[in-house]
Amino acid sequence: ETGVTQTPRHLVMGMTNKKSLKCEQHLGHNAMYWYKQSAKKPLELMFVYNFKEQTENNSVPSRFSPECPNSSHLFLHLHTLQPEDSALYLCASSQETGQAYSGANVLTFGAGSRLTVL
Amino acid sequence: GENVEQHPSTLSVQEGDSAVIKCTYSDSASNYFPWYKQELGKGPQLIIDIRSNVGEKKDQRIAVTLNKTAKHFSLHITETQPEDSAVYFCAAAYYGQNFVFGPGTRLSVLP
Repeated sequence: ETGVTQTPRHLVMGMTNKKSLKCEQHLGHNAMYWYKQSAKKPLELMFVYNFKEQTENNSVPSRFSPECPNSSHLFLHLHTLQPEDSALYLCASSQETGQAYSGANVLTFGAGSRLTVL
Repeated sequence: GENVEQHPSTLSVQEGDSAVIKCTYSDSASNYFPWYKQELGKGPQLIIDIRSNVGEKKDQRIAVTLNKTAKHFSLHITETQPEDSAVYFCAAAYYGQNFVFGPGTRLSVLP
């Protein structure tokens, strides 16, 4: 248990479905992230929230919609996805973003949600 | 933007031997370089990191070296064990922002 919990661990959905991924961190961190992990590709940063405010949207299609109601919870709402969106979606947290030479840099990842789009 | 390359993509070693994974980065402003280990069915877990004001860091069987001039850093694992088998990722970041990850190295430790 890393302190970052993701649910569900596995999700299969059709292209017309609407579903959500949930992330919860128990570390007292203030920054939360969504990453996409596809086979044989580097981890791709999708969204960053710092103190509940979105600070980065890495040109992600609008069919992915993040929500951060508080510093401990992060959601990724999914609608009208494409088969190429099938991947492992990883949530991470850190104490804050932009802190120099301190433990705030450290990213702690959850186990991921494996998404399959049919 | 930053670009991180990682080699090799796969590495097989005999148990007890050493393993070395190398990464290069393109942005000289990057100042934080973590290494993550990802086991099957789990998320990446930080195993060691180094900041740009340090040239080398060691933690038991794991060490990381950084050459700022050449913009490359390496992970060294000595006395490898079967439980070291996993995918390893390097990353480069600037003051805790804009983490850019390498594509990963699949390490297999053969008994």
